[in-house]
Amino acid sequence: GESVGLHLPTLSVQEGDNSIINCAYSNSASDYFIWYKQESGKGPQFIIDIRSNMDKRQGQRVTVLLNKTVKHLSLQIAATQPGDSAVYFCAENKAGGSEKLVFGKGTKLTVNP
Amino acid sequence: DTAVSQTPKYLVTQMGNDKSIKCEQNLGHDTMYWYKQDSKKFLKIMFSYNNKELIINETVPNRFSPKSPDKAHLNLHINSLELGDSAVYFCASSQGGIPYGYTFGSGTRLTVV
Repeated sequence: GESVGLHLPTLSVQEGDNSIINCAYSNSASDYFIWYKQESGKGPQFIIDIRSNMDKRQGQRVTVLLNKTVKHLSLQIAATQPGDSAVYFCAENKAGGSEKLVFGKGTKLTVNP
Repeated sequence: DTAVSQTPKYLVTQMGNDKSIKCEQNLGHDTMYWYKQDSKKFLKIMFSYNNKELIINETVPNRFSPKSPDKAHLNLHINSLELGDSAVYFCASSQGGIPYGYTFGSGTRLTVV
C-alpha cells in the first residue's frame, strides 16, 4: 500500500476478508499518528490513532500497528465491508511542534461484495 | 448541525479571477486550518490560525490570503487564480492540540478553467 510513482495505491478485497493498508511516515521525531478514511466527496474522517509509546492499538474492527524502527504504520480492518470502500490516509504529528498534520499518500480500498 | 462547514462546495471560475471560500465551525475550537488536496489525493496543510492569529504558513503563494474575523471563521481568498490552483480545499479545526480532536469540513472543489 505504500506509494511509489504517481498513482494512488489501490487495494481490492472481497467482503468479509481482512484488509491491511500500509504507510511509511517521514519524520522519525513524530510521536502521534492517525489513520483517516476519506469517502468520495467528503472530508477525511478519523478512524484510530496511536502514540509513539505504543506499538499496537485496537478499535472496533480496526487495529493500528506502529513500527518506529522502520517508520511504518499499518491499518488492519477485520471483516471488511462494502462501506469500508474509501481512500485511507495515515498522518503524523510531533507533539510540541507545529500544530499540523503531515499526511502520507493515500491508499484506495475497494471492497467487492 | 454540521460541525465544520465550507461554502461553496463547488466553484468553477476562469483564470485570473479572484475568489473566496468560507469556513465556519460550531465546535468552539480555537484553531482552524486550510488544507489543499491535489488531483493525486495528496493532502497538504496551507495555513493555520489560533484565535485569529496566523500560526502556520506553509510557503503558499501570496495570492492566497486567509482571513479570520473571529475564531469560528477562517476564510480563504485567492487572487489571480491559476490553472494549478484547481484542487479540493479542506477546512479543519481542533481544540487543545491535535491529539485532542481534529475535524475536517467536507471540502470545496475549485476548478480553474
